[in-house]
Amino acid sequence: AQSVSQHNHHVILSEAASLELGCNYSYGGTVNLFWYVQYPGQHLQLLLKYFSGDPLVKGIKGFEAEFIKSKFSFNLRKPSVQWSDTAEYFCAVTSISGGYNKLIFGAGTRLAVHP
Amino acid sequence: DGGITQSPKYLFRKEGQNVTLSCEQNLNHDAMYWYRQDPGQGLRLIYYSQIVNDFQKGDIAEGYSVSREKKESFPLTVTSAQKNPTAFYLCASSVAGGSQETQYFGPGTRLLVL
Repeated sequence: AQSVSQHNHHVILSEAASLELGCNYSYGGTVNLFWYVQYPGQHLQLLLKYFSGDPLVKGIKGFEAEFIKSKFSFNLRKPSVQWSDTAEYFCAVTSISGGYNKLIFGAGTRLAVHP
Repeated sequence: DGGITQSPKYLFRKEGQNVTLSCEQNLNHDAMYWYRQDPGQGLRLIYYSQIVNDFQKGDIAEGYSVSREKKESFPLTVTSAQKNPTAFYLCASSVAGGSQETQYFGPGTRLLVL
């Protein structure tokens, strides 16, 4: 069965530190890749997505992610985090299942940024 | 204001009681989804519907039921058969099919058992 692994369950950083959240998936076919973010008390929001083309994808709020097909990875990065980036981050992968695009989520990474 | 609305924000269930969570969207999306979110487990798919009057079980459908009588609405009923219903429930919608399908989420309903 397809799965998505997020290596870090909790990450604690100071403001201005660089961020990299790992995401690996197990699926050999064509994939669509997503990062969603859930700020405290808010909706799950789309941060960025990759369908095809340039493997380096830029999203909202200065986030970017790189798709490395050979490593089955889609890591999320931000060069300098802010306190407002405190949230839970979910990696998700689309897998074709029974004719529809099933979205499979990782367990999530809780990021806490200290001022 | 376009989007997905879920109500109520908090819901309390007594033992043996069925409760229904509402999900409405005005995005003209064909497909709608229900997920359950538990701490440390990400989101798991309960049910999905790609078109009105049709829906399919997801990975954890036991103890839940849905209906899709209107394009805009996809209510979820948590039945008394669901033994561990305490969770955060998220509804999503998308334009069905296509290679670039993206799901958008509502604000969620937190269900607690009394």
